[in-house]
Amino acid sequence: DGGITQSPKYLFRKEGQNVTLSCEQNLNHDAMYWYRQDPGQGLRLIYYSQIVNDFQKGDIAEGYSVSREKKESFPLTVTSAQKNPTAFYLCASMDGGNAETQYFGPGTRLLVL
Amino acid sequence: GESVGLHLPTLSVQEGDNSIINCAYSNSASDYFIWYKQESGKGPQFIIDIRSNMDKRQGQRVTVLLNKTVKHLSLQIAATQPGDSAVYFCAENNNQGGKLIFGQGTELSVKP
Repeated sequence: DGGITQSPKYLFRKEGQNVTLSCEQNLNHDAMYWYRQDPGQGLRLIYYSQIVNDFQKGDIAEGYSVSREKKESFPLTVTSAQKNPTAFYLCASMDGGNAETQYFGPGTRLLVL
Repeated sequence: GESVGLHLPTLSVQEGDNSIINCAYSNSASDYFIWYKQESGKGPQFIIDIRSNMDKRQGQRVTVLLNKTVKHLSLQIAATQPGDSAVYFCAENNNQGGKLIFGQGTELSVKP
């Protein structure tokens, strides 16, 4: 099956802990994105990467970090500097060239203990 | 700081009726628009898209209308079914590195 996978589905974080959310795609897409979604709100862009080994900050990058060492993988680390990490995290990917449509994974819900 | 506890606009329709979900977009330079459907606890799914050189595009049971003069987008769902219950988001692409700008979303509730 081709698509975008995110793991885990639920993740619990203790105070002061860094946690990493996984996002993998086998669509051979060049670009990948991380969004945060809070209850009753739209999607806010955290980080994005248009090509391997390169990424840019989105609108709410503080307290997060990413890497893009492989085309198919774009992990997001929620650091202890993110004081309000409880949210639904969505990963998306998009083909290169003139593509404009992003396709989303199933999401990871992060909860703070 | 962050806003929490905002309530989404809600549209409640009877099964079988037509639904119209509206969206105002922000940037007159945006030239590509997408509607997504998000069911509870899941990622958004692509429904239909439209380019700025079109006013209307039809899919299966869905139609998107674009009014560039007032920067307004609408999604029409014909013969709404219980499975259509979800939050619907519009998104615009304003040609800034592949980034999309998402609207707040509208929650569609279908009554049997």
